[in-house]
Amino acid sequence: DAEITQSPRHKITETGRQVTLACHQTWNHNNMFWYRQDLGHGLRLIHYSYGVQDTNKGEVSDGYSVSRSNTEDLPLTLESAASSQTSVYFCASSDRRDYGYTFGSGTRLTVV
Amino acid sequence: GQQVMQIPQYQHVQEGEDFTTYCNSSTTLSNIQWYKQRPGGHPVFLIQLVKSGEVKKQKRLTFQFGEAKKNSSLHITATQTTDVGTYFCAGVYNFNKFYFGSGTKLNVKP
Repeated sequence: DAEITQSPRHKITETGRQVTLACHQTWNHNNMFWYRQDLGHGLRLIHYSYGVQDTNKGEVSDGYSVSRSNTEDLPLTLESAASSQTSVYFCASSDRRDYGYTFGSGTRLTVV
Repeated sequence: GQQVMQIPQYQHVQEGEDFTTYCNSSTTLSNIQWYKQRPGGHPVFLIQLVKSGEVKKQKRLTFQFGEAKKNSSLHITATQTTDVGTYFCAGVYNFNKFYFGSGTKLNVKP
């Protein structure tokens, strides 16, 4: 069965370190997204991609970057982790830009 | 700017009572989607509404899209403990811009 997987599920890192969160989907979806979820803020879009070599900034992109070298993967990199980036991160994918997303199980990141 | 407002933020009900959450947009939506997130889980797509005035049902869940395509509601009849979670709407603008509401957290007392 097709799926979308995120790794790691939990991560603790130190302030200033570079961190990469993985997202891999086997749906063959062109559209992939990264969200962060914090209490009181709901889901906020970090970056998104509509296809290979395409990346776009979302509403909270500062301090984050993504790259899309193939259809299956959209890794999210925190260039220099900050305590404000402690959050739950969700990756999502979709077949059409206006249709429902399939979310991964999330990565809980703690920056100490 | 484009924004989707969702109310209430929290709802506590006794098992068997009904529950409704509402989403409102100041501008016309292309469509609206609803998601459910169980505690500790990830959002799961429930349904999409596209047409003005559309009503869709999934067992005890009824979804409505307003005539002006600016508001939507999710109604659960006779809640059960399995309904516990956070319900999010996502408004879609121009067929490609998603804005999630802040969610309504539902707690059901057995």
